[in-house]
Amino acid sequence: QKEVEQDPGPLSVPEGAIVSLNCTYSNSAFQYFMWYRQYSRKGPELLMYTYSSGNKEDGRFTAQVDKSSKYISLFIRDSQPSDSATYLCAIGADTGRRALTFGSGTRLQVQP
Amino acid sequence: DGGITQSPKYLFRKEGQNVTLSCEQNLNHDAMYWYRQDPGQGLRLIYYSQIVNDFQKGDIAEGYSVSREKKESFPLTVTSAQKNPTAFYLCASSIGDLRRDEQFFGPGTRLTVL
Repeated sequence: QKEVEQDPGPLSVPEGAIVSLNCTYSNSAFQYFMWYRQYSRKGPELLMYTYSSGNKEDGRFTAQVDKSSKYISLFIRDSQPSDSATYLCAIGADTGRRALTFGSGTRLQVQP
Repeated sequence: DGGITQSPKYLFRKEGQNVTLSCEQNLNHDAMYWYRQDPGQGLRLIYYSQIVNDFQKGDIAEGYSVSREKKESFPLTVTSAQKNPTAFYLCASSIGDLRRDEQFFGPGTRLTVL
């Protein structure tokens, strides 16, 4: 079992739709949760960072963490064609290996 | 401009050759990382370094080597022992504290074995 599982997609939605991207993880030691966006043939860029259960909002993006269920989500409101990219969840822990563990990524296509 | 750079952008290698990928950062970050990305597999950690002159193996270190002689530089050598090296390689850096951390990524190097 992988430490981090991410819905594979690809996901195709119309412009203006609400998008939900999800990851589950298996190790309760994970405490830090991030979402990265990666455009084709580019390096990933950080979208959201959170370290507690609950919601964190930044513009059209909301990150949700449920530590009891080991489940994290990224919601995109009013999706735009420019949101078309691969979204990667990344999770880290205070102990053990000091490096992030990434999900496999979900490719999102927003149709104009 | 502060940032992280990788070179070359594209690299072609013949079978049996070693090649070195460059990664430089001017963010004054302590930690640096190398990832490999294959289609549909996300990012897999090759090596990481939390401090100069120290580095640790990641999940897929076999066939790769690194050095960290300077804080700003973390080159990756893909050796002939790496059986399937064709992939997109990403370098990242961070301040090294996961409590308030963010990994900044370079633009990547696409390696193709001919």
